[in-house]
Formats: sequence, C-alpha cells, structure tokens
Amino acid sequence: GENVEQHPSTLSVQEGDSAVIKCTYSDSASNYFPWYKQELGKGPQLIIDIRSNVGEKKDQRIAVTLNKTAKHFSLHITETQPEDSAVYFCAASISVYSGGGADGLTFGKGTHLIIQP
Amino acid sequence: AAGVIQSPRHLIKEKRETATLKCYPIPRHDTVYWYQQGPGQDPQFLISFYEKMQSDKGSIPDRFSAQQFSDYHSELNMSSLELGDSALYFCASSLEGDPGNTIYFGEGSWLTVV
Repeated sequence: GENVEQHPSTLSVQEGDSAVIKCTYSDSASNYFPWYKQELGKGPQLIIDIRSNVGEKKDQRIAVTLNKTAKHFSLHITETQPEDSAVYFCAASISVYSGGGADGLTFGKGTHLIIQP
Repeated sequence: AAGVIQSPRHLIKEKRETATLKCYPIPRHDTVYWYQQGPGQDPQFLISFYEKMQSDKGSIPDRFSAQQFSDYHSELNMSSLELGDSALYFCASSLEGDPGNTIYFGEGSWLTVV
C-alpha cells in the first residue's frame, strides 16, 4: 500500500517568514495530493491540492509543488501569520474520475507549525 | 456552504458496548469516507462507500461495520468496544467525477471508551 513520509514533524518560524513542509510517497499510481490544516479538536480543513498532471499550484500565500519522478511534493506558505499555527497533513491517494469512487487518503504523520510573533 | 455533518459530537461508552456514529455528506456528494484519529496521530482510513457500495477498505477492525444509505448518509457501527477505540472519528465526503474528487472532512465525533 501507499506510504507517505512527512518532514519536519515540528516547524517553528518567525511571523512573516516562509514555511516549507515536504512529503514523499511510495506508490507511483497515486495521482491526488491534498494538504490539510487541522486545529486542535477540529476536522482537517483542505487548504490546497494538486494532481499528478500539474507541477505547481498557487493560492494566495499557499503553494504546492509536485515532482512525480522523485515522488515528492511540498507545501510552501509565505508571509506566515499567527493564524497559520496548526498541524498540517499531506496526503496521497489514487483518484478515479469515472465510476468506482475514490480510494481513501493515506496521510503523512503531520507537521506542527508554530508561528513565533 | 453546507459541510459534512457528524453526530454525535461526543460519545462516552463502556468497554464491550456498542456505538453508532452518523455522517451526513455535503449535499450532492455520493462518496463517504470514515477515518480514525488517535491523540497526536494522523487520520487512519477505515472504509469508504460510493453510491451505497463499499469502495475501498483500510484498517477497519472486524468489530466495526459501516454502510451508506439511499439518501447517501452513512453510519459506522462499532461493537465490543475496547479502550483502544477511544479516538476522534471523522467522516469525509466527495463527489465522484467532480473536477478533483476533492475530499471534505466533518468536525469529527469524539468517542471515549471507559
């Protein structure tokens, strides 16, 4: 089955600086890579996702890059703010577009992002 | 916008009892997923359903079962509860064929087994 490795487990950055979280996956058939932000006691909130036919995607301060050959993808948050503090999870799955539903996501172990004021 | 609704939000059960969690997906979504998240851990995929049929199976114990009903809501039934079943259980939903199969999570149901 799929195995997703995520680093670092904890990341502390100064407010206004950038944060980068990296993930690798093992199953070359995986084609869907979402990133979730989870605050304490709440459900994972999708912040951005990327598919294997795209190398990079950006949404305001958040960007994700995907290297299919190396099987790794990264989350970049620029101009970090205190409200960015949370646990971030990367995930991977095989997303089927026509019938049969989608496979379950395999999550990384999470990164606790701490924004220092 | 409507989100994934889970009930109950909190549940306390004794060992060997049975618990049922309910999930109401985002309107029009046809796929539901169940995840289990222990304290400080990542969510672990349990099972998913598409159009009322089991779609994918993860690390769901034999003591657990789930189904998706005609109105697309889903229920997770957990029997012979053990202390180790104490966790946050998430339901998620997506729309098959929608650009992306983007998966949205509910706020979770806290299960405490005592």
